[in-house]
Amino acid sequence: AQSVTQLGSHVSVSEGALVLLRCNYSSSVPPYLFWYVQYPNQGLQLLLKYTSAATLVKGINGFEAEFKKSETSFHLTKPSAHMSDAAEYFCAVTGGDNYGQNFVFGPGTRLSVLP
Amino acid sequence: KAGVTQTPRYLIKTRGQQVTLSCSPISGHRSVSWYQQTPGQGLQFLFEYFSETQRNKGNFPGRFSGRQFSNSRSEMNVSTLELGDSALYLCASSINRQNTEAFFGQGTRLTVV
Repeated sequence: AQSVTQLGSHVSVSEGALVLLRCNYSSSVPPYLFWYVQYPNQGLQLLLKYTSAATLVKGINGFEAEFKKSETSFHLTKPSAHMSDAAEYFCAVTGGDNYGQNFVFGPGTRLSVLP
Repeated sequence: KAGVTQTPRYLIKTRGQQVTLSCSPISGHRSVSWYQQTPGQGLQFLFEYFSETQRNKGNFPGRFSGRQFSNSRSEMNVSTLELGDSALYLCASSINRQNTEAFFGQGTRLTVV
């Protein structure tokens, strides 16, 4: 079984400040981990993914995440927030290649960026 | 190249009715998955189709069903609608079951009154 928790349903940062969105997972098999972003009335857009290669993963729009097996974490960071980063962010886990396309999503974190 | 297309974008139905939602995956993609998104339950997996066969199913009642056609297009059906079925229904496509790059459509917003 797999599950995802995201600490903080709402995070506010100032423009130019560090963005840190937390994700912890539980998985009975080696996980594949993802971060998706959702803008209002839109679908989900993939930011980045970990699929058992490099533990530090770089994604689009300056985001990156580090897979830490010992901490079962996959936190998302961005050095400098931009107003356009305001959105809902979802962390997700699957069981890897043999488990198909059934993602287990976390509850999401809404990011607000203050001017 | 065109993205995942979901139709219709918005739908209003009455309790007890049934509804069919459509998803056209990206050209060349053979795997289609469906998710329900609600404020209370978040994003929940409904089912996954590949090569016209359901490969995985989430924890939803039998009122929720789906199918996939030979051209990989997929439909999901909800019968005997309940107020709690009001949600954003998202479809995702990927090249195959092993490919981890899943692309999501904009969703169908279903409102049950």
